[in-house]
Amino acid sequence: GAVVSQHPSWVICKSGTSVKIECRSLDFQATTMFWYRQFPKQSLMLMATSNEGSKATYEQGVEKDKFLINHASLTLSTLTVTSAHPEDSSFYICSATTSGISYNEQFFGPGTRLTVL
Amino acid sequence: GQNIDQPTEMTATEGAIVQINCTYQTSGFNGLFWYQQHAGEAPTFLSYNVLDGLEEKGRFSSFLSRSKGYSYLLLKELQMKDSASYLCAVRPNTGFQKLVFGTGTRLLVSP
Repeated sequence: GAVVSQHPSWVICKSGTSVKIECRSLDFQATTMFWYRQFPKQSLMLMATSNEGSKATYEQGVEKDKFLINHASLTLSTLTVTSAHPEDSSFYICSATTSGISYNEQFFGPGTRLTVL
Repeated sequence: GQNIDQPTEMTATEGAIVQINCTYQTSGFNGLFWYQQHAGEAPTFLSYNVLDGLEEKGRFSSFLSRSKGYSYLLLKELQMKDSASYLCAVRPNTGFQKLVFGTGTRLLVSP
């Protein structure tokens, strides 16, 4: 099946620093990638949708200047959390899809746990 | 707006059958997914329904009624490894194929 990887799997940073998370589709070309955030014992909240070569579409309430998304190629999307604060600590999960996949299913990465001190 | 509700927690015993319900009110409807998620891991795909009726896949079945905005996931012959969160997700009839996830149901299977 389709495989999506994320790097790093976990990161701890100081408040005020920026953190970049990578999402890669390993065996298919992802025309669309999604970024989710999940707080403990809660469900996934969609942050933004990105299509290769175009600007991301952010969900209501998500600050696009704080969460920078770049989808520079069909296999790579990056999420940069700028000037991170403790309230940004969360589990960040990406998913990827492309045309022609059954059900237009999204394939999820293993997630990145961010802890901001 | 989008609203997808599931029970927060459920418990069941090994070997039993459990039904996890999901009700939704979304701006449109273009399919419903069920995912399984173990703690700290990514969701994994279980089932997909876009037409009314029951879809069966091994120990797991999923049902959809579009007129009622209702779905359920049925797990048979429960095993300890089925202890996980189960997420219902709806694809509204919007662009980019995005999913809106429900609140999730934590299932605990006991011996």
